[in-house]
Parts: sequence; structure tokens; C-alpha cells
Amino acid sequence: EVHLVESGGGLVEPGGSLRLSCAASGFVFSDAWMSWVRQAPGKGLEWVGRIEGKSDGGATHYAAPVRGRSTISRDTSQNTLYLEMNSLKSEDTAVYYCTTDVTGSPIWGQGTMVTVSS
Amino acid sequence: DIQMTQSPSTLSASVGDRVTITCRATENISKWLAWYQQKPGKAPKLLIYKASSLESGVPSRFSGSGSGTEFTLTISSLQPDDFATYYCQNQEWQFGHGTKVEIK
Repeated sequence: EVHLVESGGGLVEPGGSLRLSCAASGFVFSDAWMSWVRQAPGKGLEWVGRIEGKSDGGATHYAAPVRGRSTISRDTSQNTLYLEMNSLKSEDTAVYYCTTDVTGSPIWGQGTMVTVSS
Repeated sequence: DIQMTQSPSTLSASVGDRVTITCRATENISKWLAWYQQKPGKAPKLLIYKASSLESGVPSRFSGSGSGTEFTLTISSLQPDDFATYYCQNQEWQFGHGTKVEIK
């Protein structure tokens, strides 16, 4: 069974940094296209970025609001996906979800809450 | 990026009503569309994937159709548990802005 478990959320000061993790299991992680999606309180769902499968080149792509201050990476030895963000702003406050459609249908983790506040 | 437009943004309906939500893509996305239901404080729940495939465990009153650039989610007979916000999503994980289904 495909399983995604996020961790690393919490309270961060404006201008600070964070690293979110997503532990993956139940599929060939290295070849899976993985995305991060977030949802700010009371707002809609927003794609943050993705990393392509290793066999497809492993390129990363980012949404405009986070481009230049975010990095998505993966550790295939640990089957773990990462999202690093810096220069955090209040508008980055959201639940962050790790996602994939490696099985042909969308799979989501349970999410991890990030609050950017002083 | 492919943009997704949902309509209506809000829908008022009664229990037993047939409800239809539309999602349009700015480019042809074949059948790469999913529909979600979300309730306050909860993670999105997958209802439909690949435009018309019903996720396991989802009631059969939910159905999806369409291909290319226009898609619909239909609830054949609205139940009290169905009052929620619904989102569409394409294969690039771009989402519609949501449709809130409210009690009339």
C-alpha cells in the first residue's frame, strides 16, 4: 500500500527557514514524480512544486510564489522527499501535503502545518 | 501552466437535488482530472480520478465525466454529508478554486 507521511512543520519566524520531510513507502520512490501542495487557512489548494522521477531526469519545477526560495529534493536511500523553504513570509502559513500519482490515482499524505509568525 | 476554472464558486441546493459542478482547463488534458471533497479542518478526500473512475469506497451517487478541456462532477441525489467544498485537479497538480455546496 502506498503511504506518505509528512513531518517537520511548526512555528517559524518571518524570514526564517524550514525543511519538511515526506517518508514514502509502497512504491518505487526513485522513479515517482512527487509534488508538494499547500493550503493556507480558509483558502484553496495550491501546488508548490514537483520533482520528476529519476529515470525522467529528476528536474524540479516550482510555483511562482515560492520560486527562488524553495528547493525540492529526494533521498532515495531513505525513500524521503524534502521541501526546503527560506525567506518565509506570513503567506506561507499553510498545511503542506506531499503527493504523488504513481499508482494512477492521486495519493496524499496527512499534511503538516507550518505557521510563519513572530 | 494549465489553469483550471471551476463553476459555480458557490452552489445552494437541497437534500435530494441533482448537483453538477463544471471544471474547465485552458489546454487539452485528455482525461487527467481528479475531483475532491473537502470539509473544514480535514484533508481533501479523493472522489474521482482519470475523469470518471470512482475511488474505492466513494458512494455511487458521485460520478465524473468529460475529457479534453471540459469536465463535470455530478452528485445524483445530494445527501446531508455532501455539503462541503469540491475541487478539481489536473495532472500537473493545478487546482480549481473550489465550489462550496451549501444548504439551500
